[in-house]
Amino acid sequence: DTAVSQTPKYLVTQMGNDKSIKCEQNLGHDTMYWYKQDSKKFLKIMFSYNNKELIINETVPNRFSPKSPDKAHLNLHINSLELGDSAVYFCASSQDWASESSYNEQFFGPGTRLTVL
Amino acid sequence: AQTVTQSQPEMSVQEAETVTLSCTYDTSESDYYLFWYKQPPSRQMILVIRQEAYKQQNATENRFSVNFQKAAKSFSLKISDSQLGDAAMYFCAYKLRGNQFYFGTGTSLTVIP
Repeated sequence: DTAVSQTPKYLVTQMGNDKSIKCEQNLGHDTMYWYKQDSKKFLKIMFSYNNKELIINETVPNRFSPKSPDKAHLNLHINSLELGDSAVYFCASSQDWASESSYNEQFFGPGTRLTVL
Repeated sequence: AQTVTQSQPEMSVQEAETVTLSCTYDTSESDYYLFWYKQPPSRQMILVIRQEAYKQQNATENRFSVNFQKAAKSFSLKISDSQLGDAAMYFCAYKLRGNQFYFGTGTSLTVIP
């Protein structure tokens, strides 16, 4: 039973194209995230949604647009892809943004390796 | 600003030996949570261990344990009886109330047979 799934796992595309990465979680969590992991393995938060509402929007080019149709899904759409967008993108979820419990650890998807040529 | 520092980009350990990965963090808060995540070559991020800052007792999960020094803002991970499957990137993470995580830059652990 996959907890957090992402599609596709690998994405190779040309510069200037528009692409989407989909994320779904079946854990019943309220909060979902997108992270970017660069070639040096540095993990950087991009966005976070709680119950379909955007709560974290880090400094990310506006070519990146998250969309949450419901609280189990958080998709990432990228317009006009650039070489520097090549990275591994991770989706994650956690139970509840407002909770103070440490049990709100984040569960990660398997990642999507995006290569822009 | 919350920052998490892992000063060892790479570490290696002989199989069956013990290794300690270091992590320090910067915060003015007193109530927070700390985590170690493991990322094997499969890329999947896996939670290894967690610690609440208000607990003085160090967390332990089988061969994994932490040395939490709150005053020093240090949260090191000790792996005992290292196994080949422990080879991975290890990320230290810090979380305040709410769910924004701050990750360190990672330590790549090699296990030598």
